[in-house]
Amino acid sequence: DAGVTQSPTHLIKTRGQHVTLRCSPISGHKSVSWYQQVLGQGPQFIFQYYEKEERGRGNFPDRFSARQFPNYSSELNVNALLLGDSALYLCASSSTGQETQYFGPGTRLLVL
Amino acid sequence: KNEVEQSPQNLTAQEGEFITINCSYSVGISALHWLQQHPGGGIVSLFMLSSGKKKHGRLIATINIQEKHSSLHITASHPRDSAVYICAAETSGSRLTFGEGTQLTVNP
Repeated sequence: DAGVTQSPTHLIKTRGQHVTLRCSPISGHKSVSWYQQVLGQGPQFIFQYYEKEERGRGNFPDRFSARQFPNYSSELNVNALLLGDSALYLCASSSTGQETQYFGPGTRLLVL
Repeated sequence: KNEVEQSPQNLTAQEGEFITINCSYSVGISALHWLQQHPGGGIVSLFMLSSGKKKHGRLIATINIQEKHSSLHITASHPRDSAVYICAAETSGSRLTFGEGTQLTVNP
């Protein structure tokens, strides 16, 4: 079975642009979480979705939004990009959100 | 002060050495996770534990709930163990709060 997949793998944007990152969970998993990992630091929690509902939100500005689709895939949207948004964006899925999370390979975003 | 702190930040060992990475947390947790991250970013979950001790191959994870402390041990370390090891505290709502990570380098 395929693991968690994310697209694109790499992305370069300029300040002020908008970006959409995509995540497909492991088949049967209904919970998706998003994390931001700035170079040299541990990941930071952005959002968790379960059954298409937002279950949790980290300390990120409103420029960050997400949604989960009926097939449990998810999108993370970031508006008005800033240089500081350059990071590895990780998606993780789990069956119910109450157990081990399985991570995708990440999308590396560079904002110039 | 971070809610999850790891030590050391960097660790260099010779092949075969016994390695210990420590994690302290200041929040109430439902579980403590140990994760491994290789260059390029891929993260693999190693352990999820809420009490006692777990073992998988050469890896051992322990947790002391009263002291809010966990350790990850690697026995007979090998160069392929070189990676960043991250401790993460799972709090209410299944949210993970991560430590900064420990960069482990095992030299042949």
